[in-house]
Amino acid sequence: DGGITQSPKYLFRKEGQNVTLSCEQNLNHDAMYWYRQDPGQGLRLIYYSQIVNDFQKGDIAEGYSVSREKKESFPLTVTSAQKNPTAFYLCASSIILGRGNTEAFFGQGTRLTVV
Amino acid sequence: RKEVEQDPGPFNVPEGATVAFNCTYSNSASQSFFWYRQDCRKEPKLLMSVYSSGNEDGRFTAQLNRASQYISLLIRDSKLSDSATYLCAVNPPGYSTLTFGKGTMLLVSP
Repeated sequence: DGGITQSPKYLFRKEGQNVTLSCEQNLNHDAMYWYRQDPGQGLRLIYYSQIVNDFQKGDIAEGYSVSREKKESFPLTVTSAQKNPTAFYLCASSIILGRGNTEAFFGQGTRLTVV
Repeated sequence: RKEVEQDPGPFNVPEGATVAFNCTYSNSASQSFFWYRQDCRKEPKLLMSVYSSGNEDGRFTAQLNRASQYISLLIRDSKLSDSATYLCAVNPPGYSTLTFGKGTMLLVSP
């Protein structure tokens, strides 16, 4: 089945540790995104990538890093510099249509808890 | 004015009712708009795309009002299974990203 796969579904991290969240898609989509969702908040954009080996910061990139070595993969690293990392992390991908229009489809999310 | 704003609700309606939500956006040059449905602790799922004046899919109708800068989602004949949070998303001009509202919660009761 085509889709977006995030792993793990649940992740626990000790304070001061870096952790990497996986996101893989087999939809042949060019663009991939990472969003963060906190209770009562909307989705906030962390990073996005429109092409392999290139990515841009979103609204809340501090404390996060990404790579895009393959079209199918866009892993997110939550570093120890991220002060409040406990959240629901959502990866998405899309085809970039004309004039920047896009329909984004999401993975099932990773729920990260710092203990 | 925030980029994308939604009434958080909750909207409590009985089964069979018609309910409508609005979503306002600040950038008048935005070209495309989307409604997503999100169930509790799940990922958002695309419900409808709106590129021109509106779109209809069964019981769901989305309308775009460019003059007043809002999009609406109308749900007719509400079902219990429609209970969810509905997220509005807007594609800012010149970007391939989406800006999301905080969502409107709908609760449909028997």
